[in-house]
Amino acid sequence: ETGVTQTPRHLVMGMTNKKSLKCEQHLGHNAMYWYKQSAKKPLELMFVYSLEERVENNSVPSRFSPECPNSSHLFLHLHTLQPEDSALYLCASSQDRGHTEAFFGQGTRLTVV
Amino acid sequence: EDQVTQSPEALRLQEGESSSLNCSYTVSGLRGLFWYRQDPGKGPEFLFTLYSAGEEKEKERLKATLTKKESFLHITAPKPEDSATYLCAVQPLGSGNTGKLIFGQGTTLQVKP
Repeated sequence: ETGVTQTPRHLVMGMTNKKSLKCEQHLGHNAMYWYKQSAKKPLELMFVYSLEERVENNSVPSRFSPECPNSSHLFLHLHTLQPEDSALYLCASSQDRGHTEAFFGQGTRLTVV
Repeated sequence: EDQVTQSPEALRLQEGESSSLNCSYTVSGLRGLFWYRQDPGKGPEFLFTLYSAGEEKEKERLKATLTKKESFLHITAPKPEDSATYLCAVQPLGSGNTGKLIFGQGTTLQVKP
């Protein structure tokens, strides 16, 4: 148990589907992040939220839409994805956006067919 | 451009055979360097944070060191349960407002009994 919980663990969706990934942290942290991990590539930062405010959007296509309703929850809404979007999507949190260590969830393995 | 390079890409050791993993980085200024461990199908697990050249951190069989251009993760007398992918990440100066981390591609370590 890392204190960061992601659901679902696995997701298969068609290119015309709409789905959402959920992340919840139980650590009392103020910053939350979405990362993408593709095979043979380094983790790529997608979005950063601090106190529910988005502070970084790393040139991510609009088919990915984040939502942070409060400091404990983070969503990633997905629509009209492409097969190349298949990857492991990781959520992380840290004490604040400039703080040191980030704690990661287990990830959602997404397959777009 | 900020960059992190890890070597080797893969490392196979016999149980008890000590070795080191390398993380070379190029940043305009370093706020912090992080080591994570990632097991297959799971999110990264935080190991160490290093802030300045000469700093060292230890945890069980692992020891991380930092110079102005690189970091080493020394593994002493490894056991099969140390098998995992080890990720290095840097947080550049000026990224304190976003908590952004730049990851290397990782070193996959396999320790055989």
